[in-house]
Amino acid sequence: GQNIDQPTEMTATEGAIVQINCTYQTSGFNGLFWYQQHAGEAPTFLSYNVLDGLEEKGRFSSFLSRSKGYSYLLLKELQMKDSASYLCAPMDSNYQLIWGAGTKLIIKP
Amino acid sequence: GAVVSQHPSWVICKSGTSVKIECRSLDFQATTMFWYRQFPKQSLMLMATSNEGSKATYEQGVEKDKFLINHASLTLSTLTVTSAHPEDSSFYICSARPERGDTEAFFGQGTRLTVV
Repeated sequence: GQNIDQPTEMTATEGAIVQINCTYQTSGFNGLFWYQQHAGEAPTFLSYNVLDGLEEKGRFSSFLSRSKGYSYLLLKELQMKDSASYLCAPMDSNYQLIWGAGTKLIIKP
Repeated sequence: GAVVSQHPSWVICKSGTSVKIECRSLDFQATTMFWYRQFPKQSLMLMATSNEGSKATYEQGVEKDKFLINHASLTLSTLTVTSAHPEDSSFYICSARPERGDTEAFFGQGTRLTVV
């Protein structure tokens, strides 16, 4: 079966760094997306990885290891507005995004 | 990035009535659109995949006669919740991809449906 595993909730301090881990099992693999979703809003795209390694985009970076079925999202210089849910979504062989429940990130002053 | 417009943003309807939600890709042609439902604090649940000009593919457990999907053009897909009941109250989100492959999915703003 297809499965996504992320921590349910994480707490971090404003200005700090946080890493949100994601392990996945899918039928085939065509890349992995990270989305941010604020409560009551639709998800917004953060990053896409299809090859192993680290992709850096401003304060956010995403890492992928296909052999381990593992990815992480790294958020630096945390701001209060980063409080949201972060969704790891691998794409399977049919190009379908597989969604987990996401990680709720709480930022404290 | 590309823009997907979903309308309405929220709707309240009486039990037994039908509600139509529109999803438009504003600056690209979407051969495939996806409809999701999300209950509070839960993950996105794919309801159906619609391809322009053909019947939608529904996920297991989703009643196709209750959730009517029409993808009549490359820029518009609609989801109609027929004979809505309070348990259909949820956040409905559409997304679209310009083409099959390794491209990001662009999401609409979502529609908060409340059935009273």
